[in-house]
Amino acid sequence: DVKVTQSSRYLVKRTGEKVFLECVQDMDHENMFWYRQDPGLGLRLIYFSYDVKMKEKGDIPEGYSVSREKKERFSLILESASTNQTSMYLCATTFDRGNQPQHFGDGTRLSIL
Amino acid sequence: QKEVEQDPGPLSVPEGAIVSLNCTYSNSAFQYFMWYRQYSRKGPELLMYTYSSGNKEDGRFTAQVDKSSKYISLFIRDSQPSDSATYLCAMIFGGFKTIFGAGTRLFVKA
Repeated sequence: DVKVTQSSRYLVKRTGEKVFLECVQDMDHENMFWYRQDPGLGLRLIYFSYDVKMKEKGDIPEGYSVSREKKERFSLILESASTNQTSMYLCATTFDRGNQPQHFGDGTRLSIL
Repeated sequence: QKEVEQDPGPLSVPEGAIVSLNCTYSNSAFQYFMWYRQYSRKGPELLMYTYSSGNKEDGRFTAQVDKSSKYISLFIRDSQPSDSATYLCAMIFGGFKTIFGAGTRLFVKA
């Protein structure tokens, strides 16, 4: 089974802080994704990466950056946290072969005060 | 118009009922279809993954795809309280770009 581990289940930070969310996968998947999930809006793609040191913007990249220094680890960075970034953040992975379903971690519920 | 439409519910049914969950989509380029189950405070878990029009069965779950109508369904037979969750439909096009529905909340009452 694919295992996608997100480092924190719950996180509370203050506005203006730099926030790091970590995701680690154990299946040697090439592609990794960061989403945020909000009620009524579903999952929205923030950034994705198809290889080490490679990244692509998703639909809502503003206010976020990412880092992928190793294949198994994909980090999401909130450069200066704001209250509208309070959300559930989900990491997902797939094999490099196209048209594969994504496998998710259990999410980080982030509150910005 | 959203690319994928899914009724948010909530849908409340008695234990043992047959549940029907549905999504419509507008883009005929969608070729691969999934259903995920998401329990409260957990990540989405893949339930069904299918390509062709028609039915795919896995235990109490049946996924149905009608590409001509741009309509997909998930049926749950003999529903159990443990099926209470949010169900997300999802569709892939262009390799790995995936579009998700907003999810339907299901409650199965004992």
